[in-house]
Amino acid sequence: DAMVIQNPRYQVTQFGKPVTLSCSQTLNHNVMYWYQQKSSQAPKLLFHYYDKDFNNEADTPDNFQSRRPNTSFCFLDIRSPGLGDAAMYLCATSRVPLPTDTQYFGPGTRLTVL
Amino acid sequence: DQQVKQNSPSLSVQEGRISILNCDYTNSMFDYFLWYKKYPAEGPTFLISISSIKDKNEDGRFTVFLNKSAKHLSLHIVPSQPGDSAVYFCAASAPGAGSYQLTFGKGTKLSVIP
Repeated sequence: DAMVIQNPRYQVTQFGKPVTLSCSQTLNHNVMYWYQQKSSQAPKLLFHYYDKDFNNEADTPDNFQSRRPNTSFCFLDIRSPGLGDAAMYLCATSRVPLPTDTQYFGPGTRLTVL
Repeated sequence: DQQVKQNSPSLSVQEGRISILNCDYTNSMFDYFLWYKKYPAEGPTFLISISSIKDKNEDGRFTVFLNKSAKHLSLHIVPSQPGDSAVYFCAASAPGAGSYQLTFGKGTKLSVIP
């Protein structure tokens, strides 16, 4: 029944070592989002894909990249993780990129940077 | 600058009583508001929403009230049940070309005591 799947659930990386987080969906939704949520903070949108169109938020650091090879999968690449990038990373999907269209979230990947 | 504020990090309520979760916003352009619920180890799930053209929306035990002049919304849960114990996020969006971003609050942890 899992609709938005995130792997791994927990990821540990070293300072400066590239890391990739994975998200897949079985909903066939057109839009996939990546959020960053630091401890006791609000989820913050990093970027989203509408089909193959990539939309980066203005304040998302260049250190964060994303790939969407097909409808089902979306990846978050952190090129050189810093200690400040330790957070929960949430993937979400929706049919269309409108706030009135429900976003379905995955369980998140908790990233630790040593 | 936090545009969506949930000033109560936590709330405890007796089972059967009313739970009231509050949310304030500063951006007068916000025109759509949502509440998400999040259990531990799961992603947020959509609960209820309201458009700025309304001042109330009801869905079963859950009612959202919007006071635009005060830039305030609240979620009422009546009666509260132990299964309602979760973190509740308020979110808002503003119209605009390409503006698909949801702005989240930091969340309020609700504990319903049996």
